[in-house]
This record gives sequence, structure tokens and C-alpha cells, in this order.
Amino acid sequence: SQKIEQNSEALNIQEGKTATLTCNYTNYSPAYLQWYRQDPGRGPVFLLLIRENEKEKRKERLKVTFDTTLKQSLFHITASQPADSATYLCALERAGTALIFGKGTTLSVSS
Amino acid sequence: EAGVTQSPTHLIKTRGQQATLRCSPISGHTSVYWYQQALGLGLQFLLWYDEGEERNRGNFPPRFSGRQFPNYSSELNVNALELEDSALYLCASSLEQVLNEQFFGPGTRLTVL
Repeated sequence: SQKIEQNSEALNIQEGKTATLTCNYTNYSPAYLQWYRQDPGRGPVFLLLIRENEKEKRKERLKVTFDTTLKQSLFHITASQPADSATYLCALERAGTALIFGKGTTLSVSS
Repeated sequence: EAGVTQSPTHLIKTRGQQATLRCSPISGHTSVYWYQQALGLGLQFLLWYDEGEERNRGNFPPRFSGRQFPNYSSELNVNALELEDSALYLCASSLEQVLNEQFFGPGTRLTVL
């Protein structure tokens, strides 16, 4: 069955550094992959979507890459700020069904 | 534009009872999704409705059911509640099925005692 893994449960970095989060998947070739942010006790908020024919997507300080050979997506936050502290979820589509979410990586940015 | 709304915010039930959770999608969105987020388990897909029909369901027992109304709002029903049903239940909506970003509501926190 399809499996989606986010490399670490928690990531701690200092303000101003670049945070890099990893999402790996197996047994499937999704047409696209999405990244969401979730704050405690709240619903996830959509950040970026990247399609299989796109290598990279940017939005302000966010950058997502999608390597279909490695079956991996990297999510970068440059010039990180304490306000970026949250849990970040990757999700892949499964044709004809709904999104499958990873468990998320909780990012903590210290000042 | 109003976002996805869910009610109630919190719900406390005892084992064996039934729970009904409600969701109103963003205006114009026809697809509604339900997810369960239990501690340490991440978001687990429950149900997907589009245009009033159930399109798919996740790996949950039949006591989890729901429906979508003509105005695209949706209801999730959980019968014969068990302690492990305690979780945050999230509803999301999107335009045109799965191929778009999903907009999530704030969730309903269900506690089963």
C-alpha cells in the first residue's frame, strides 16, 4: 500500500536559518504533492502544490522540490522566523480517492 | 468569503453513544472530506463526498458514516462510540474533487468517556 513518511517528527533551528523538511513516499507515483501548515488545535492550511512535471515551486520564503525518481519532496523555509514554528504536513493524491497525509514534522524556530 | 465551518467545537460523549458532527463548505465548493486526527497518528482519511454522493471512504468501520446535503454541507455520524474514537475531526472542502488544495475547518474535538 502507499506509504508517505516525513523524515523527522521534530526539527529545531535558529532564526534566520533555512529549514529543510523531507517527505518520502513509496509504492505510488502521485501526479502531485501538497504541503500544509498546521498550528496546534487548528485545521491545516494549504501552502503549496507541486505537480510531477515540476521540479521546483516557490512562494515567498517557501520552496518545494519534487523528485519523482527518488520519490521525495523537500520543503524549504528560508530566513526562518519564530512565527514559522508549526507542524508541516505533506500530502499526496491517490487517483480517485482523497489525499494521504504524512504525520508531519514539527518545526521550532528559536530567536 | 467565509471559510469552512464546523460544529460543534467540542463534543463529549460516553462509550456506546452516537455523535453527529456538521460541516459547511466554502461557498461554491462541491467536495467535502472528513479526516480523523488522533494523537500521534496524523490525519487519517475518513470520507469524501462530492455532489451529494460518497466517492470514497478510508479504512474505517461502517459505524462511521455520513452524508452530503443538496447545499453541499455534510454530516459525519459515528455510532457505538468507542474510547479510541476520541480525536479531532476535521472537515475540508475543495473545488472539483481532489485535484485542488483543500480548505480545512477548525475541527470538532470529540471526547469519548
